[in-house]
Amino acid sequence: SYVLTQPPSVSVAPGQTARITCGGDNIGSKSVHWYQQKPGQAPALVVYDDSDRPSGIPERFSGSNSGNTATLTISRVEAGDEADYSCQVWDSSSDRRVFGTGTKVTVL
Amino acid sequence: EVQLVESGGDLVQPGRSLRLSCAASGFTFDDYAMHWVRQAPGKGLEWVSGISWNSGNIDYADSVKGRFTISRDNAKNSLYLQMNSLRAEDSALYYCAKEITHDIVATYFDYWGQGTLVTVSS
Repeated sequence: SYVLTQPPSVSVAPGQTARITCGGDNIGSKSVHWYQQKPGQAPALVVYDDSDRPSGIPERFSGSNSGNTATLTISRVEAGDEADYSCQVWDSSSDRRVFGTGTKVTVL
Repeated sequence: EVQLVESGGDLVQPGRSLRLSCAASGFTFDDYAMHWVRQAPGKGLEWVSGISWNSGNIDYADSVKGRFTISRDNAKNSLYLQMNSLRAEDSALYYCAKEITHDIVATYFDYWGQGTLVTVSS
C-alpha cells in the first residue's frame, strides 16, 4: 500500500516560516491535500490540489509538490497555527485515500 | 454554515456492537458523498468508509470490511456507521467528513465534524 511519511514534529518561532514535508513514491504525480487539526476542534482543509487554498484560509498557507516530496509552508507563523497537520492523496493502485503520519507544529 | 455533529461513541466490550450517527446541516446533504475517518490515540488519520449521495456506491477500508456498515438517510440529513464485532484496534476518535462531490472519487474532504470517541475494552 502507498505510504506517506511526515516528520513527527516541527518547531518554529513566531514570525518565521514552517515547512512540513510529506514524502511518498512519485507523489509529484498525485494531488496532495492538507488538513489542520487543533485540539478539540474539527479538522480543517487548508490546502487542496497541491497548492490551492479554500476560502478563509490565509495566504500564509501555501503548498507545493514535486518528485517524491510535497510541502506545506506556513509563512509568518502565528501562535494560532500550532496544530497537527496531515497530508492526503488518492492511491490509484488501491483506489483508496491515504493519509500521512501527521506532523505536530509547535510555535516556540 | 456547514455543521457535522457526530454522536454514539462509547466504551464497549470487544465483540460488541455500536452505531455512530452524524447529523449534517448547512448544506444540501443529498448532493454529496459522505465518509467516516478515524484516528487512534497517537496515530494518524485512517479512512474507514464512504457512501455516495444516493447510497449507490459504498466502500470500506480492508480493516473494517465485513464488520462495519455505512448508511445514510437523506430525509433526515444523517449519516450512520454500524460497527459490529468490535476489536481493541477499533478504538479511535471517529470523524464524519463531507466529500466535495456527489460520489466517492479521488478528491478530498472540505468539512469535518469534531468526532465521537469509541473505546473498545473489557
